[in-house]
Amino acid sequence: AQSVTQLDSQVPVFEEAPVELRCNYSSSVSVYLFWYVQYPNQGLQLLLKYLSGSTLVESINGFEAEFNKSQTSFHLRKPSVHISDTAEYFCAVMNSGYSTLTFGKGTMLLVSP
Amino acid sequence: ETGVTQSPTHLIKTRGQQVTLRCSSQSGHNTVSWYQQALGQGPQFIFQYYREEENGRGNFPPRFSGLQFPNYSSELNVNALELDDSALYLCASSEGGAGTDTQYFGPGTRLTVL
Repeated sequence: AQSVTQLDSQVPVFEEAPVELRCNYSSSVSVYLFWYVQYPNQGLQLLLKYLSGSTLVESINGFEAEFNKSQTSFHLRKPSVHISDTAEYFCAVMNSGYSTLTFGKGTMLLVSP
Repeated sequence: ETGVTQSPTHLIKTRGQQVTLRCSSQSGHNTVSWYQQALGQGPQFIFQYYREEENGRGNFPPRFSGLQFPNYSSELNVNALELDDSALYLCASSEGGAGTDTQYFGPGTRLTVL
């Protein structure tokens, strides 16, 4: 069985400050890793994903995440956040060979001026 | 390209009733997955359909059932509704049954059971 742990339920940060949202996973097999973002009263939008290759993956809006196999982590980072980044962020894992996602409980990113 | 759509947006039912939620997958996608997101929680996998056949099921009782149609749209049916079934139900579509396929989510149906 696989599981995802998002260590922080809420992360408050000031605008233009850097942020890191932590994600750890457990799985006995190779995995693919995803970050999704959910804005209020909306569905999930894919932010970025790691399937293979370079362990550092980037999104179009400045977020990046690094796959660390030895630490079983996939932390999400952004060097400078905007008010519009306020949302819930979900880390998810998919076992290679399957196509279902296991999600963490989410981290609410609260950006204030 | 049309994204994933779900209907209805909101629904209120009472305990013991039955409900049907609908999902239209993104153009070109033949796989649909359903998730339940309770308040304050991450989405939990209910089941997946690939080319009209069930292709995996999470830890949900049999009163949660589904269908996928030839046009790859899908339904989620829940019988004998319980209060704990109140949640946001999310549908996601992907291109095929491979493990690397990205799942694209719809906006969800908010179900409230009274």
